[in-house]
Amino acid sequence: RKEVEQDPGPFNVPEGATVAFNCTYSNSASQSFFWYRQDCRKEPKLLMSVYSSGNEDGRFTAQLNRASQYISLLIRDSKLSDSATYLCVVSSNTGNQFYFGTGTSLTVIP
Amino acid sequence: NAGVMQNPRHLVRRRGQEARLRCSPMKGHSHVYWYRQLPEEGLKFMVYLQKENIIDESGMPKERFSAEFPKEGPSILRIQQVVRGDSAAYFCASSLPANYGYTFGSGTRLTVV
Repeated sequence: RKEVEQDPGPFNVPEGATVAFNCTYSNSASQSFFWYRQDCRKEPKLLMSVYSSGNEDGRFTAQLNRASQYISLLIRDSKLSDSATYLCVVSSNTGNQFYFGTGTSLTVIP
Repeated sequence: NAGVMQNPRHLVRRRGQEARLRCSPMKGHSHVYWYRQLPEEGLKFMVYLQKENIIDESGMPKERFSAEFPKEGPSILRIQQVVRGDSAAYFCASSLPANYGYTFGSGTRLTVV
């Protein structure tokens, strides 16, 4: 079983739409959780950390459900510039490495 | 305030040659990580280093691959006797404590011909 599993998409949504990505992880001892964004042929960039209490950054909301080992990312009022691949990232129980999902592709259409 | 610097950006090697990839972490970061991204695949952990120490190399292939992070100078990922299957994007990241999230460099795209 993969450490992190994501729906690869692609998600094609119109501007202004709300879109949600989900991710599950296998290691119940993981302590840190993140969403990264990767544009084509570029490096991944940290979008936001994910906490059990949920956290919001502008149009982006992340949630963590430890009991279900499930992480989500909600993007409201999608912009063209949101088009990218979104990577779910979970730490190992030692914290020495992060496990990356294969990413969910989003295209926002005018 | 430079971020994580990787060079070269692109590297072409013939089968059997050696590839050396360099990574300078962000100023003040002492933790360096190397990841590999194959086409159409996710990033895979290779190795985690601190200055002069390899902390976790569980993702490194047992042969031909080595990494170092000397007291002075950049971290180096070295691939000896490259094969076509080594063609990939190699990303370096650095951080403060390991659970604060990484900052990635722009990557080195290695092509073995």
